[in-house]
Amino acid sequence: DVKVTQSSRYLVKRTGEKVFLECVQDMDHENMFWYRQDPGLGLRLIYFSYDVKMKEKGDIPEGYSVSREKKERFSLILESASTNQTSMYLCASRLGMTGVQHFGDGTRLSIL
Amino acid sequence: GQSLEQPSEVTAVEGAIVQINCTYQTSGFYGLSWYQQHDGGAPTFLSYNALDGLEETGRFSSFLSRSDSYGYLLLQELQMKDSASYFCAVNTNAGKSTFGDGTTLTVKP
Repeated sequence: DVKVTQSSRYLVKRTGEKVFLECVQDMDHENMFWYRQDPGLGLRLIYFSYDVKMKEKGDIPEGYSVSREKKERFSLILESASTNQTSMYLCASRLGMTGVQHFGDGTRLSIL
Repeated sequence: GQSLEQPSEVTAVEGAIVQINCTYQTSGFYGLSWYQQHDGGAPTFLSYNALDGLEETGRFSSFLSRSDSYGYLLLQELQMKDSASYFCAVNTNAGKSTFGDGTTLTVKP
């Protein structure tokens, strides 16, 4: 069965900290995505990656970076966390262009 | 860029049929997907349309008209467990996937 695992379910960090969110998939999918979800705003794409070491900006990349050193792992980095980055972060993976996106359970990140 | 519009809320009774519409504006359109999300849960895939027409999967069907930049999700024989948020999402030929803001469906007894 398909599995996307996010490293933390809940995370609390301080303003100015560098924060790492990790995502691992076990399906050998080429494509991986990071979204944030806020009430009433749906899922907004931060970054996606279509191959190892490849990345593309999504709709709201400011304040974030990503790393994909191995096919199964896609990391989201908050370079200097700010309170407006408090949100639910969702990772997803997809096989090819038309395949289903499989989501992790999400990380609820609070920046204090 | 991409933009999608869907109703924010829909209410229906058990056993009824409900249609959730989605209109989109995008360049490089590749396909339209639908996802369901229960409170506190992760989005789960429901249906995908790349070509015009109707796709049926059990009680759920999805329709696409590429010329009208329009699609809908049809839920039949509504059950209480169908109460959830429903998102349409556009896939582009650049590999990007953009979601709408979601429709909250409330099913009443």
